[in-house]
Amino acid sequence: KNEVEQSPQNLTAQEGEFITINCSYSVGISALHWLQQHPGGGIVSLFMLSSGKKKHGRLIATINIQEKHSSLHITASHPRDSAVYICAVRAGSQGNLIFGKGTKLSVKP
Amino acid sequence: NAGVTQTPKFRILKIGQSMTLQCTQDMNHNYMYWYRQDPGMGLKLIYYSVGAGITDKGEVPNGYNVSRSTTEDFPLRLELAAPSQTSVYFCASSRTSGIADTQYFGPGTRLTVL
Repeated sequence: KNEVEQSPQNLTAQEGEFITINCSYSVGISALHWLQQHPGGGIVSLFMLSSGKKKHGRLIATINIQEKHSSLHITASHPRDSAVYICAVRAGSQGNLIFGKGTKLSVKP
Repeated sequence: NAGVTQTPKFRILKIGQSMTLQCTQDMNHNYMYWYRQDPGMGLKLIYYSVGAGITDKGEVPNGYNVSRSTTEDFPLRLELAAPSQTSVYFCASSRTSGIADTQYFGPGTRLTVL
């Protein structure tokens, strides 16, 4: 069983829809990251969180440490949001990142 | 700032050939990483470095070597290329490895071994 599981694997939405991507993990962590991989391959960090909730524009990330679960929400989705969204966790305070397999999102106009 | 740069962008190797993937960062980051990304799989850590002269193995180091002679550069060497090394390789860097760390990724190198 992977230490970091994402769901769904693939997601197709219509422009304007509210989107939720889930991440569950089985190890104790010090931080959780959400990253975005563009269709061209580049990877950028969206959020890093260790508790609670963070918001950046139309993106919201939440984490529940007790339930070992995080969600990434996209409000008013747009075709430019189409990308692979990757969840990664840091086990312990100095451990290396453990990555999920990613969720491929396609937003149709 | 250019951030993290990688060369080449694409490469095709024959089995048994050798090559070096170059990675350079201009953010004065201490930590640098090499990952591989296989289709349908999460990123896997190959090697990492906590500073010039210091490197350590990650999850999948077999078949690879690294060196870190300067803060800026972290090349990845494939000595005897095998088809199993066909993948997309990403270099990344970060200021620290603590919980406040953010990793910055290069654009990737797509390697095919035939």
